[in-house]
Amino acid sequence: QQQVKQSPQSLIVQKGGIPIINCAYENTAFDYFPWYQQFPGKGPALLIAIRPDVSEKKEGRFTISFNKSAKQFSLHIMDSQPGDSATYFCAAGNAGGTSYGKLTFGQGTILTVHP
Amino acid sequence: KAGVTQTPRYLIKTRGQQVTLSCSPISGHRSVSWYQQTPGQGLQFLFEYFSETQRNKGNFPGRFSGRQFSNSRSEMNVSTLELGDSALYLCASSRDRGRGDTQYFGPGTRLTVL
Repeated sequence: QQQVKQSPQSLIVQKGGIPIINCAYENTAFDYFPWYQQFPGKGPALLIAIRPDVSEKKEGRFTISFNKSAKQFSLHIMDSQPGDSATYFCAAGNAGGTSYGKLTFGQGTILTVHP
Repeated sequence: KAGVTQTPRYLIKTRGQQVTLSCSPISGHRSVSWYQQTPGQGLQFLFEYFSETQRNKGNFPGRFSGRQFSNSRSEMNVSTLELGDSALYLCASSRDRGRGDTQYFGPGTRLTVL
């Protein structure tokens, strides 16, 4: 029940395309859903995060869509660039409960954006 | 403001040895979490410390332990190393646990067990 399932494992798009990465969770106690971006040799960096009280959040070219009833959320990258090539992780946490500090991560998606 | 720093960046140990990794959080951050990252298991939560107290622990054997000092710096220790402990160990800090604050990750310590 603690799992977060992420798909696809890898994704290749052309510059300007809109890659979409999907995640699903089971634990209804999760109430904080961040996305992280990781480049080789670096630690993950927060891209954008959402709470279940909103269905969509945009920050720059990154958009999270959230479907509470389906327990699914996804990341869309608009006008993707070669510099967006990285590994993307979705995560889930319980910000208000005793499990804060523990993020449960998806398995990651390796995104490649061709010029 | 300086980011999360982790030392050392790389370590090579042999089976049976023990290792201590260090993490200095962002100034003003009081919560420190540790994660293990491997190709097979992904990012897995080890433990979280807040005000020198372990508040949460993941599903790892007792060989994995940690502590936090009064200045919020944290260390984790792995005793009796096994080949499967080879991984990138990531530390993340946040300002105040319990409010959904962003976790900021360090670059990690790459541990290789031979």
